[in-house]
Amino acid sequence: QVQVVQSGAEVKKPGASLNVSCKASGYTFTGYYMHWVRQAPGQGLEWMGWINPNSGGTNYAQKFQGRVTMTRDTSISTAYMELSRLRSDDTAVYYCARDSLRGYINWGQGTLVTVSS
Amino acid sequence: EIVLTQSPATLSLSPGERATLSCRASQSVSSYLAWYQQKPGQAPRLLIYDASNRATGIPARFSGSGSGTDFTLSISSLEPEDFAVYYCQQRSNWPPFTFGQGTKLEIK
Repeated sequence: QVQVVQSGAEVKKPGASLNVSCKASGYTFTGYYMHWVRQAPGQGLEWMGWINPNSGGTNYAQKFQGRVTMTRDTSISTAYMELSRLRSDDTAVYYCARDSLRGYINWGQGTLVTVSS
Repeated sequence: EIVLTQSPATLSLSPGERATLSCRASQSVSSYLAWYQQKPGQAPRLLIYDASNRATGIPARFSGSGSGTDFTLSISSLEPEDFAVYYCQQRSNWPPFTFGQGTKLEIK
C-alpha cells in the first residue's frame, strides 16, 4: 500500500537550517508531484511549494523564496525540504503530500519542528 | 493571490444533523477546489476534489457543490467521527495553492 513516511521531530535554534525527509513507497515516486505544507500550532494549513520528482523542477510560495529548497533522490524515493535562517515563527508541523493533480491523496505523518533559543 | 474565506469559523451540531460548510474565493477558481478533513494530531485527508467529486473511500454522506467563487461542503447526517476541522484549497491559480482558514465542526 502507499506510504509516505517523514523524518522525526526536531528542535532548532534561530538562524539554523532544517532538513525534513519524506520517503515514499507503494507507488511510482517519479509519477506524482510532492508538495510541502506546514501548520503552525493551533493554526491552519500553509502551502510551501512542490517538487516534480521526475525532473527535479520546483515551485515555491513567494513567502519562502530564498529560504526553502526542495530536492529529491529518486534512487531511494525520497523528497527533502530544507528551510534556512529559521525563526521562532517557523515552529510548525511540516507535511509532505503526494499530489494527484486534483488534491493531496496521501500525506506524511508530519514532522514537528520547534525553533527556540 | 486568491484568498479563500470559510464560514462559519465554528459550527456546533448534533450527530444525525446536516452540516453545511461554505468556502468563498476572492476570484473565480472554476471547479478547481478541494476539501480536506483534519482530526486532532492527524494529517489532513482529502474528501472532495474538483468541487464535487468524492475521493476514494469517502462515504456518500459527504458531498461538494459550487463553481466559480462559491462552494459548499455538505454532510448529510453527521456521524461521531465527522467532528473535525475542514479546509478548502484552491488549485486554479498558483502559486500559491491557498487554503481557507478552516471550519471547526464541533459536537453540540
